Amino acid sequence: QQQVKQSPQSLIVQKGGISIINCAYENTAFDYFPWYQQFPGKGPALLIAIRPDVSEKKEGRFTISFNKSAKQFSLHIMDSQPGDSATYFCAASTLYNTDKLIFGTGTRLQVFP
Amino acid sequence: GAGVSQSPSNKVTEKGKDVELRCDPISGHTALYWYRQSLGQGLEFLIYFQGNSAPDKSGLPSDRFSAERTGGSVSTLTIQRTQQEDSAVYLCASSLENSGLSYEQYFGPGTRLTVT
Repeated sequence: QQQVKQSPQSLIVQKGGISIINCAYENTAFDYFPWYQQFPGKGPALLIAIRPDVSEKKEGRFTISFNKSAKQFSLHIMDSQPGDSATYFCAASTLYNTDKLIFGTGTRLQVFP
Repeated sequence: GAGVSQSPSNKVTEKGKDVELRCDPISGHTALYWYRQSLGQGLEFLIYFQGNSAPDKSGLPSDRFSAERTGGSVSTLTIQRTQQEDSAVYLCASSLENSGLSYEQYFGPGTRLTVT
């Protein structure tokens, strides 16, 4: 019930393309869904987060789409750039108990020029 | 301001030795977390400290693992009698608190532990 399943494990996209990473969760109590971006040798950094009272959140080229009934959420990176090449982790927790963020297994994104 | 810092950045140790990993959280952050990141895996929660409350140790994989946080600031993760399966990157994160709007976790760069 605590798992967050993330796919794909790796993704190769051409510059200018759309990168899509999907996550699915089981615990219906989860109400906070952040995405973290990690560059090699660095710790993860919060990229964007969504709460289930909205179905979509957009920040620049990054968009989270959320489907509460399907218990799925996804990250879309529009106009992907080589600088977006990193590992992306989805995560989930309850908003007022975020001590235990449950992370997905990560997606390694490579954007080629 | 300064972010979360961790030391050492890399640690190579022999099987059976004890190791200590250090985390300096962002000043003023009351919550501190330790995670383990194994190759190709996600982040595995280990332990969580919040203010003066008893730590949540539910993620520690065995009794060889322990952590403490002194003075509500610096934390040390200790692994006793290290095993090869302990090889991983150990990440520390801190946040202002664990509820309300100040829940973003800020991660340090991690300590890469290799047990030979």
